Amino acid sequence: SQTIHQWPATLVQPVGSPLSLECTVEGTSNPNLYWYRQAAGRGLQLLFYSVGIGQISSEVPQNLSASRPQDRQFILSSKKLLLSDSGFYLCAWSVPNAYEQYFGPGTRLTVT
Amino acid sequence: SQQGEEDPQALSIQEGENATMNCSYKTSINNLQWYRQNSGRGLVHLILIRSNEREKHSGRLRVTLDTSKKSSSLLITASRAADTASYFCATGGQGSNYKLTFGKGTLLTVNP
Repeated sequence: SQTIHQWPATLVQPVGSPLSLECTVEGTSNPNLYWYRQAAGRGLQLLFYSVGIGQISSEVPQNLSASRPQDRQFILSSKKLLLSDSGFYLCAWSVPNAYEQYFGPGTRLTVT
Repeated sequence: SQQGEEDPQALSIQEGENATMNCSYKTSINNLQWYRQNSGRGLVHLILIRSNEREKHSGRLRVTLDTSKKSSSLLITASRAADTASYFCATGGQGSNYKLTFGKGTLLTVNP
């Protein structure tokens, strides 16, 4: 069966510090991968998605970037965090050519 | 921008009662999905209904889709305390783009 992991689960970082969040998927090949951010009491905002290694599409211009160095690994990064980067970050995967998405447990990021 | 809008924003019922949540959207869709999110956790896929379907069932869940009104409803029958969660609708567009657009969600509280 397929499993998706995210780490860390929680993170408190000062403004201006770098960020690296990691997501890995097990049990499937060539998944589509997604990064979302969820602000408190809000829906999900799609940040990035990827249909293959090295293929990243950015949905919202911002202080973040994403990379996919391996087929089942998706990384969200920032060089300098802003207060507005605080939120709940969710990684998800889907089978190519399918709409159902499967989410990881999320990372709670607080920028202080 | 967010495609789906859930209504109501919050719903509180007693165990055993039925819960109905609605979702409206603005543009043509390929499908509509419902997801559940327990507090502080990732989203769980519940059900997908395609644009050429009008009703779909899964256990205690019933989803309807009215493409002429651009709306969907999620009915949870015989609710349980464990159904307490936020429920989101997500729309998938037409074409080869497999991205989803999520609404802000309905917070359902089922009181024992």
